[in-house]
Amino acid sequence: DGGITQSPKYLFRKEGQNVTLSCEQNLNHDAMYWYRQDPGQGLRLIYYSQIVNDFQKGDIAEGYSVSREKKESFPLTVTSAQKNPTAFYLCASSTGQGLETQYFGPGTRLLVL
Amino acid sequence: GEDVEQSLFLSVREGDSSVINCTYTDSSSTYLYWYKQEPGAGLQLLTYIFSNMDMKQDQRLTVLLNKKDKHLSLRIADTQTGDSAIYFCAEKPDSWGKLQFGAGTQVVVTP
Repeated sequence: DGGITQSPKYLFRKEGQNVTLSCEQNLNHDAMYWYRQDPGQGLRLIYYSQIVNDFQKGDIAEGYSVSREKKESFPLTVTSAQKNPTAFYLCASSTGQGLETQYFGPGTRLLVL
Repeated sequence: GEDVEQSLFLSVREGDSSVINCTYTDSSSTYLYWYKQEPGAGLQLLTYIFSNMDMKQDQRLTVLLNKKDKHLSLRIADTQTGDSAIYFCAEKPDSWGKLQFGAGTQVVVTP
């Protein structure tokens, strides 16, 4: 089955720790995205990547980092510089052109211990 | 603030029609979308409309687009309890793929 997978479903972070959220897609999409969702605030774009080995900051990139070494993978690292990391994180992918249907993964909920 | 605005909450009785409204700001948007999010899950594309259309119907869903007022609506006919979810409106404001999402409308369907 084609789709996007995210792991883990729940992640706990200790203070001062970096954690990495996984996102994999087998849709052969060029573009991938990371969003943060907080209650009542909708989706805010953290980082996006139009193509392998290239990525751009979104609206709230501070305290986060990404890499795009493979087309199918776009991991997000939440660094210790992100002071309020508790949120639901969603990964998405799309063809990157034309009708821009974004397909979403099931999400990772990050909680701070 | 949000470039795409939606009301935050809608309560509807089972069997009635639901109408969710959205206003957007970028008149050059080529596509507009409605996504559905069930609790604890990712977003699922419900439908989309191209900017040169003013209406699109897909089974129980009807999308209306008023470009002059930059207003988009989603009507769900015969609303069921399974339609309880958060509904997001989104626009594609430029030629590349980034979407701008609204804050979402929580729809609660009561028996």
